[in-house]
Amino acid sequence: KAGVTQTPRYLIKTRGQQVTLSCSPISGHRSVSWYQQTPGQGLQFLFEYFSETQRNKGNFPGRFSGRQFSNSRSEMNVSTLELGDSALYLCASSLAESSSGRRGTQYFGPGTRLTVL
Amino acid sequence: ILNVEQSPQSLHVQEGDSTNFTCSFPSSNFYALHWYRWETAKSPEALFVMTLNGDEKKKGRISATLNTKEGYSYLYIKGSQPEDSATYLCAWPNFGNEKLTFGTGTRLTIIP
Repeated sequence: KAGVTQTPRYLIKTRGQQVTLSCSPISGHRSVSWYQQTPGQGLQFLFEYFSETQRNKGNFPGRFSGRQFSNSRSEMNVSTLELGDSALYLCASSLAESSSGRRGTQYFGPGTRLTVL
Repeated sequence: ILNVEQSPQSLHVQEGDSTNFTCSFPSSNFYALHWYRWETAKSPEALFVMTLNGDEKKKGRISATLNTKEGYSYLYIKGSQPEDSATYLCAWPNFGNEKLTFGTGTRLTIIP
């Protein structure tokens, strides 16, 4: 089975621009979560989608948004980029909508490294 | 504890030595505890999902234990090897057992 894929792998943008990142989950996985990782910080949860519905959202400003399509692929959008948005953005997919058991194990993609200049 | 805490933040261990580190989590409304290994330039990789108090899981030289009553889990590595160098993350589902909250990790470096 192919793993989680993310595109693009690297991206350089300037302040004020907007960016869209894409994630294709493992086939059959309906839950997709997005995380931000910055130096010195752990994985910060952005949002999670299950069957095209956003079920949870982390503490990020409204400039961060996402969506999920009927084939479970997900996109994340950041508008009006700021320098502090430079980070590694990881997407993870899982079988189950619950993280309470083995089926909730998250499988991570390689990430998109975003640099904002 | 309202969040997931991991200690120590970093650790240097001589090759061949054994080591362990801790993950502390809220003991109320426990659902599960996840451990991940994140090697440099790779994606985080799932190690264990632990759900029952007293659970002990093993994968090769790595094992983990769980105490849900006191809210901690230990990860043990026996006979450390250079390939064990990674950041080890634990994660706990909250918000109605859907969203995973990750700790900041323990960065393990094995010295050859």
